[in-house]
Amino acid sequence: QKEVEQDPGPLSVPEGAIVSLNCTYSNSAFQYFMWYRQYSRKGPELLMYTYSSGNKEDGRFTAQVDKSSKYISLFIRDSQPSDSATYLCATFGGGATNKLIFGTGTLLAVQP
Amino acid sequence: DTGVSQNPRHKITKRGQNVTFRCDPISEHNRLYWYRQTLGQGPEFLTYFQNEAQLEKSRLLSDRFSAERPKGSFSTLEIQRTEQGDSAMYLCASSFKDSNQPQHFGDGTRLSIL
Repeated sequence: QKEVEQDPGPLSVPEGAIVSLNCTYSNSAFQYFMWYRQYSRKGPELLMYTYSSGNKEDGRFTAQVDKSSKYISLFIRDSQPSDSATYLCATFGGGATNKLIFGTGTLLAVQP
Repeated sequence: DTGVSQNPRHKITKRGQNVTFRCDPISEHNRLYWYRQTLGQGPEFLTYFQNEAQLEKSRLLSDRFSAERPKGSFSTLEIQRTEQGDSAMYLCASSFKDSNQPQHFGDGTRLSIL
């Protein structure tokens, strides 16, 4: 079993829709969670960074963490064609290294 | 803030050749990470530096791979005797030394083995 599981999609939505992206993780010791956005042939770009359970909002983006069910979500409101990208969830693998453990990424297409 | 810079952006080489990639991290960042990403997968950790010290290497990093960060600034990743399976995107990330600081990535070097 992978430590972080993510539905690879692809997910296609019309412009203006609310998008919900989700990941599950296996290790209850994980405390910090991130969402990265990756455009084709580019590196991952940090979108959201959260600690423990709860919600964090930044503009059209909301990150949600539910540690009781080991479930993390990213919501995108009023989606735009420019949001079309791969969305990667990640967490720190523990220890002093703080290496990131990523999901496989979900490919999102927002249709104009 | 100039961000993390990686060169070259794309490298095409024949099987068996040696290749070297360079990463320039964000200047204030002490920590530097290398990851590898294959098509349809998330990045996987390869190795990590704090200043000039290489503190951890993944099992993915075979003895054909070597990484350096000689003055605690830029880093190089060398692959010797490249194999078809080395074809991937090699990503560099950097962060502040304080624990649990987020990592910021460069745009990667895409390696294609002919």
